[in-house]
Amino acid sequence: LAKTTQPISMDSYEGQEVNITCSHNNIATNDYITWYQQFPSQGPRFIIQGYKTKVTNEVASLFIPADRKSSTLSLPRVSLSDTAVYYCLVGDIQGDDKIIFGKGTRLHILP
Amino acid sequence: GAVVSQHPSRVICKSGTSVKIECRSLDFQATTMFWYRQFPKKSLMLMATSNEGSKATYEQGVEKDKFLINHASLTLSTLTVTSAHPEDSSFYICSARDQGVADTQYFGPGTRLTVL
Repeated sequence: LAKTTQPISMDSYEGQEVNITCSHNNIATNDYITWYQQFPSQGPRFIIQGYKTKVTNEVASLFIPADRKSSTLSLPRVSLSDTAVYYCLVGDIQGDDKIIFGKGTRLHILP
Repeated sequence: GAVVSQHPSRVICKSGTSVKIECRSLDFQATTMFWYRQFPKKSLMLMATSNEGSKATYEQGVEKDKFLINHASLTLSTLTVTSAHPEDSSFYICSARDQGVADTQYFGPGTRLTVL
């Protein structure tokens, strides 16, 4: 299981674009990168998943460089409701990899 | 799609009693489900992997006789906390693996257990 490293916390302002970078230097060939969002007293919510290059959905974008040793979650024009903990997870989704959570990034959006 | 439910959402019990938490995948079949616990301001900690029709695999340090897991069908896994004590008070979260088009895990809303 590839270990991930993220900033412990980040602050930003409403309307700004927020980029959270995750390092996963020992990512394996079969590993996918998945990001989850968690609000207090709720289960994590799936945001986006990717393998390489760029993935975009209605919520976020995920940028993955060619070496795949890092990834960046991009949240466009954040609002106060985006204040949450964001987890970057790496694993072989086609296999039986269990997801091991790191500490995550506590994002605080200011008005 | 890919909705996972948990029941109950909140439970308070007396020390020494047992509590059962249900985890259901509502719109997909899940051969594998996972159980986590989370303490305040901390990350999720994996407790066990639940496989349909077979015994659960527990993480190191998790007592299998205390946290009984049953995965009797492709849409239901249960976690029973036996002889609960105050230190078992926590937020319990399950996830289910959807092996469909987007093979990933989806999480339930969690169950807040308080043991008095």
